[in-house]
Amino acid sequence: QQQVKQSPQSLIVQKGGISIINCAYENTAFDYFPWYQQFPGKGPALLIAIRPDVSEKKEGRFTISFNKSAKQFSLHIMDSQPGDSATYFCAASWGGYQKVTFGTGTKLQVIP
Amino acid sequence: GAVVSQHPSWVICKSGTSVKIECRSLDFQATTMFWYRQFPKQSLMLMATSNEGSKATYEQGVEKDKFLINHASLTLSTLTVTSAHPEDSSFYICSARAGIHEQYFGPGTRLTVT
Repeated sequence: QQQVKQSPQSLIVQKGGISIINCAYENTAFDYFPWYQQFPGKGPALLIAIRPDVSEKKEGRFTISFNKSAKQFSLHIMDSQPGDSATYFCAASWGGYQKVTFGTGTKLQVIP
Repeated sequence: GAVVSQHPSWVICKSGTSVKIECRSLDFQATTMFWYRQFPKQSLMLMATSNEGSKATYEQGVEKDKFLINHASLTLSTLTVTSAHPEDSSFYICSARAGIHEQYFGPGTRLTVT
């Protein structure tokens, strides 16, 4: 119930294209869904996060879409750039439970 | 944004020795810090939750006598890998909680045990 399933494992997108990463969860107690971006040899960096009372959140080229009934959420990267090439992790947590549950990660490669 | 630092960024040690890794929240106070371990091309594995002034809570399967955690102040937590062995070689990452949900991660420490 604490699992967060993430797909795809890897993704290759052309520059300017849209990158889409999907996650699904089981625990309906989760109330915070962040996305992290990690470059090789670095720690994860908080990219964008959403709470389940909204269906979409946009920050620049990054958008989270959230479907509460389906228990799914996704990250869309518009106009993908080579600098976006990194590993992306979705995650979930809830206020009463300090731990964050991470997805398995998606390695994104944006090719020129 | 909130900044978390780790020191050292990489360390090589001989088998049987101990290594201490520091995690600091630079511009905020963190009552709770977390320690993760990450193997190549894998997700983060939570090792323990560290609360200021109290004993750390370890995840199942993590040896508390091997991975000593101290959270002596609101801005500093340390992880000591005791009697390190080659299988302890990994990327260790800490995070600090700011607010109810937000966690900010350090840059990680690459440990190589020879």
